[in-house]
Amino acid sequence: QKEVEQDPGPLSVPEGAIVSLNCTYSNSAFQYFMWYRQYSRKGPELLMYTYSSGNKEDGRFTAQVDKSSKYISLFIRDSQPSDSATYLCAMGNPNFGNEKLTFGTGTRLTIIP
Amino acid sequence: GAVVSQHPSWVICKSGTSVKIECRSLDFQATTMFWYRQFPKQSLMLMATSNEGSKATYEQGVEKDKFLINHASLTLSTLTVTSAHPEDSSFYICSARPADTEAFFGQGTRLTVV
Repeated sequence: QKEVEQDPGPLSVPEGAIVSLNCTYSNSAFQYFMWYRQYSRKGPELLMYTYSSGNKEDGRFTAQVDKSSKYISLFIRDSQPSDSATYLCAMGNPNFGNEKLTFGTGTRLTIIP
Repeated sequence: GAVVSQHPSWVICKSGTSVKIECRSLDFQATTMFWYRQFPKQSLMLMATSNEGSKATYEQGVEKDKFLINHASLTLSTLTVTSAHPEDSSFYICSARPADTEAFFGQGTRLTVV
């Protein structure tokens, strides 16, 4: 079993819809969680970072963490064609300095105009 | 957010030659940087952890003699692909973390070996 599971998609939704992206994890030591967006042939760009259970909102993006269920989500409201990209979840353990992050496989998202 | 710069963005080289990729943290010091490899439509695969002033830590299955990593300063790490072959063609990405939290990535380097 992988430490982080993420549905690779592809996921296609119409413009304006709410998008829900999810990851599950098995390692309870993970304490902080990130979502990255990666456009084709570009490096990943940090979208959201959180370290506590609950919701964190930034513009059209909301990150949700449920540590009891080991489940995280990213919601995108009023989706735009420019949101079409691959979305990667990532997790880390703060108990070890500069410890490597663990990434999901990424979900390919297409917003249809 | 913090800025990580990677150079070059793309490179084409002949089989058997070596290629050096640079990764710089522009506005913070990074004692540790990470090098990833990504094949088309696949996720990031960690190759090695680069430590300033010491040897890099390589992931299982990654040839340390083929992928030479040098972390000579707190703002620069380099990855050299030695004696490159077509199967080394890939997208190479570095990342660094200003603190023990989120990571920031470079723009990536697309390597094509012909």
